[in-house]
Amino acid sequence: ILNVEQSPQSLHVQEGDSTNFTCSFPSSNFYALHWYRWETAKSPEALFVMTLNGDEKKKGRISATLNTKEGYSYLYIKGSQPEDSATYLCAFSGGYQKVTFGTGTKLQVIP
Amino acid sequence: SQTIHQWPATLVQPVGSPLSLECTVEGTSNPNLYWYRQAAGRGLQLLFYSIGIDQISSEVPQNLSASRPQDRQFILSSKKLLLSDSGFYLCAWGTSPYNYGYTFGSGTRLTVV
Repeated sequence: ILNVEQSPQSLHVQEGDSTNFTCSFPSSNFYALHWYRWETAKSPEALFVMTLNGDEKKKGRISATLNTKEGYSYLYIKGSQPEDSATYLCAFSGGYQKVTFGTGTKLQVIP
Repeated sequence: SQTIHQWPATLVQPVGSPLSLECTVEGTSNPNLYWYRQAAGRGLQLLFYSIGIDQISSEVPQNLSASRPQDRQFILSSKKLLLSDSGFYLCAWGTSPYNYGYTFGSGTRLTVV
């Protein structure tokens, strides 16, 4: 069983604050690392799929970095807004049809 | 554009009753299709995936089954539900999702009572 851990489990931030959370995954047999945003009453939506060590991806105020050698990825949100409130999931892909999800970080942005 | 439909949105079923959840995809051919479940306090767990009609792979032993009678239709079933089957079920599709990520349906909240 592959261990994909996300921290923190949940956090509350004030509107305008920047924040970041972590996804830890096995450092062997790495294929890809996915980040999803899952808003309440909606489907999980893919944010980033990262495949190369040192990858950095950006989408608006959200960015992510990847370190496959040490097995972690960071997701950053700059200037959090209430609409950023969601659960952020990471998923480790160890090859063909082998994707393991973390339990997510639940973010609440307080206006 | 591709869309994925999943129904019903919520379901309350007694223990021992049957289950049928349906998922259809539009706007693509020969998609890889997936059923995931999220139980309380746990991450999304892959239950089944299918790379083609009548081709089903099971990842977790359980009393659930899946079928793919048509290219863009994926069905999750059970003959007799258990309390432990409660959870949030998500259908997903992708061409090569381990590389490019999944597109998820809207999910079904199943409560077995």
